[in-house]
Amino acid sequence: GQQLNQSPQSMFIQEGEDVSMNCTSSSIFNTWLWYKQDPGEGPVLLIALYKAGELTSNGRLTAQFGITRKDSFLNISASIPSDVGIYFCAGLGGYQKVTFGTGTKLQVIP
Amino acid sequence: DAGITQSPRYKITETGRQVTLMCHQTWSHSYMFWYRQDLGHGLRLIYYSAAADITDKGEVPDGYVVSRSKTENFPLTLESATRSQTSVYFCASGRAGGGTDTQYFGPGTRLTVL
Repeated sequence: GQQLNQSPQSMFIQEGEDVSMNCTSSSIFNTWLWYKQDPGEGPVLLIALYKAGELTSNGRLTAQFGITRKDSFLNISASIPSDVGIYFCAGLGGYQKVTFGTGTKLQVIP
Repeated sequence: DAGITQSPRYKITETGRQVTLMCHQTWSHSYMFWYRQDLGHGLRLIYYSAAADITDKGEVPDGYVVSRSKTENFPLTLESATRSQTSVYFCASGRAGGGTDTQYFGPGTRLTVL
């Protein structure tokens, strides 16, 4: 099935640095969701975006719904060791038709 | 306050056996989903349900059966398990409509078929 193009695939950063990742699609979505998944656990919803251009924050996390409705961005400020994990985006079309991103693996060096 | 739970968390079974994975949510979400997650394939939708007694196939439904007699429960049955069904299975639930679609995932069931 289709997966959204998410970049970067993986990244190593120093503790305290800011992180940016994005998700792009050839299709338009009505909703963008961002999740974090720790090893052995289920994905945890971080941020939900519902309007083109919307910018939403959750603590140190900020996400944006792209104006074209075909992309979304997630930023993490001042990274800490517990930010380690896999982050992935999900685009929703009508009534829960979900397409997931390929994931960004984040490693934080203390 | 449980949210969405899955049981068992780990299961080992043998080829040909029937296995049922349970999923329970306490939010009264109308939608429920079953996904499998495999390296290189990401999350793939097996089945979903828009409401009690309404189910539909996803991307990879073969070999699986679902039912939804109550809004809060959505069991997934592997009728005759095969090695290719070794995977991590996630249940999710969500609301839809009203411009606030979401999906929340359970903790997963790691299934090994020998």
